[in-house]
Amino acid sequence: QKEVEQNSGPLSVPEGAIASLNCTYSDRGSQSFFWYRQYSGKSPELIMSIYSNGDKEDGRFTAQLNKASQYVSLLIRDSQPSDSATYLCAVVNAGNMLTFGGGTRLMVKP
Amino acid sequence: DGGITQSPKYLFRKEGQNVTLSCEQNLNHDAMYWYRQDPGQGLRLIYYSQIVNDFQKGDIAEGYSVSREKKESFPLTVTSAQKNPTAFYLCASSTTSSGANVLTFGAGSRLTVL
Repeated sequence: QKEVEQNSGPLSVPEGAIASLNCTYSDRGSQSFFWYRQYSGKSPELIMSIYSNGDKEDGRFTAQLNKASQYVSLLIRDSQPSDSATYLCAVVNAGNMLTFGGGTRLMVKP
Repeated sequence: DGGITQSPKYLFRKEGQNVTLSCEQNLNHDAMYWYRQDPGQGLRLIYYSQIVNDFQKGDIAEGYSVSREKKESFPLTVTSAQKNPTAFYLCASSTTSSGANVLTFGAGSRLTVL
């Protein structure tokens, strides 16, 4: 079992819709969770971090964490074509190192 | 502006050759990392260094070597022992106070073996 799992996609949503990206992790002791956005051929950029159960909102982005279910998600409201990218979930493991999921490719169609 | 500079951006290598990827940061970060990314996949940790003159293997260190002689620099050598080196290589850094939590990435180096 991979430590951090994501559906590779592509996830296709129409412009203006809500995109929902999901991630599960195996280390029950993980405390820190991150979402990175990566455009094709570019390096990842941090867009959200979350440390406590519940929701965290930043503009059109909402990160949701459920430690009991070992599940973290990212919602993108009012999706725009410029949101089309690969979204990487990353989890800090017991060794205080980031482990990345394989990423979900999001396509927002005009 | 502070940041991480990786060079070269594109590199072609013949089989059996060693190549070195450069990574320089002016963020005064203590920790530096090298990741490998294959098409459609996430990032896998090759090596990391939390202090000058010290570094640790990551998940896929075989066929790679690094050095950390200066705080600003963390070059990665892809040796001929790496069987499938064609990939996108990313260098990153972080402050030790944040742990590996908040990474700043360079623009990446794309290595192709001919």
